[in-house]
Amino acid sequence: QSALTQPASVSGSPGQSITISCTGTSSDVGGYNYISWYQQHPGKAPKLMIYDVSNRPSGASNRFSGSKSGNTASLTISGLQAEDEADYYCSSYTSSGTRVFGTGTKVTVL
Amino acid sequence: QVQLVESGGGVVQPGRSLRLSCAASGFTFRNHAMHWVRQAPGKGLEWVAVISYDGSNKYYADSVRGRFTISRDNSENTLYLQMNSLRAEDTAVYYCAREEWGKVYFDYWGQGTLVTVSS
Repeated sequence: QSALTQPASVSGSPGQSITISCTGTSSDVGGYNYISWYQQHPGKAPKLMIYDVSNRPSGASNRFSGSKSGNTASLTISGLQAEDEADYYCSSYTSSGTRVFGTGTKVTVL
Repeated sequence: QVQLVESGGGVVQPGRSLRLSCAASGFTFRNHAMHWVRQAPGKGLEWVAVISYDGSNKYYADSVRGRFTISRDNSENTLYLQMNSLRAEDTAVYYCAREEWGKVYFDYWGQGTLVTVSS
């Protein structure tokens, strides 16, 4: 049950696009389309942004999109805004029936 | 509206036990699998355990298996986490989270309860 690998930090200027990667194995990310992404502001509970690789729940901005290739999933934030500055975590279902989170990525808006 | 309210956190000595509760409202609790997720101070999210909608299936992270027990009372709309043999590394904010019916993601989260394991 090793955590999925994410970059520790990603930054961009307002209006730019950034992408956060999430790398696992064939037993989690690569084996299932059950990848979700969560945004967490300091002191707050996580918020669902993307589910099932690329679906957006109601309430999540359409500037957020997701994709997957092999054992790596990605979250892209387009038109970066100050309010997007937060920590982001990916999550996957695993072959053991458990769940696993990514190591987390701090997004900074320059 | 969906609400999840955790309680039961506090300061506990290493080796002792603690039980967390998560009171659910605003939805049909018995229809949803439920999870516990924790976050150590300044660290990332760590999945802890899941229980199926009817309590018949439970899965645990390796780090807590054999020490923690997840359970639920569908008549009381409450989720529990019994934590035994607590260690310093169990210090964290513990969140309960709902799994959307038939899906594999956490669509609602509580605000968390802090557990501090210290002598």
